[in-house]
Amino acid sequence: QSALTQPRSVSGSPGQSVTISCTGTSSDVGSYNYVSWYQQHPGKAPKLMIYEVTKRPSGVPDRFSGSKFGNTASLTVSGLQAEDEADYYCSSYAGSNNLVFGGGTEVTVL
Amino acid sequence: EVQLVESGGGLAQPGRSLRLSCAASGFTFGDCAMHWVRQAPGKGLEWVSGISWNGGSIGYADSVRGRFTISRDNAKNSLYLQMDSLRADDTALYFCAKDMAAAIGYTDAFDIWGQGTLVTVSS
Repeated sequence: QSALTQPRSVSGSPGQSVTISCTGTSSDVGSYNYVSWYQQHPGKAPKLMIYEVTKRPSGVPDRFSGSKFGNTASLTVSGLQAEDEADYYCSSYAGSNNLVFGGGTEVTVL
Repeated sequence: EVQLVESGGGLAQPGRSLRLSCAASGFTFGDCAMHWVRQAPGKGLEWVSGISWNGGSIGYADSVRGRFTISRDNAKNSLYLQMDSLRADDTALYFCAKDMAAAIGYTDAFDIWGQGTLVTVSS
């Protein structure tokens, strides 16, 4: 159960787009379409932003989108806004009733 | 209001035990898989354990397997985590989280989270 690999930080100016990668293996991200993305502001509980690779829960802006190619999933935030500044985590099912999170990415709005 | 409230955290000595509880309200608890996720101070999220709607399927992270036991009581709308043989690296904020599916390995998306209960393991 190795953690999924995410960049430690990404940044962008308001209105720009940023993409966060989440790299796993053929045993987790590559094998299942059960990749989720969470947003966490300091001192707060995580919030589900994307599930099953591309689906957005009700209430999540369509500026947030997800994709996957091979062993790598991605979260794209378009039209970056100040409130998007937060930590983002990916997760994936890894088989045999196991799940794994990524190490987290800090998004900074310049 | 849909809500998860964790309790049972605190200070424990290495090698001792703690039992965490999570009280659910505002949704049909018995229809959902449930999970524990922890976050060490200043660190990222780590999945700890999950349990299917009826307790028939359970999973553990390698770091806690054999020391932690997850369970649930659907009649009491409650999730539990029995933590034995605690170690310093178990120090973390422990979150209870609701799965969008009834079983592990179907959606594995956590749409409701509690605010967490802090566990500190130190002598």
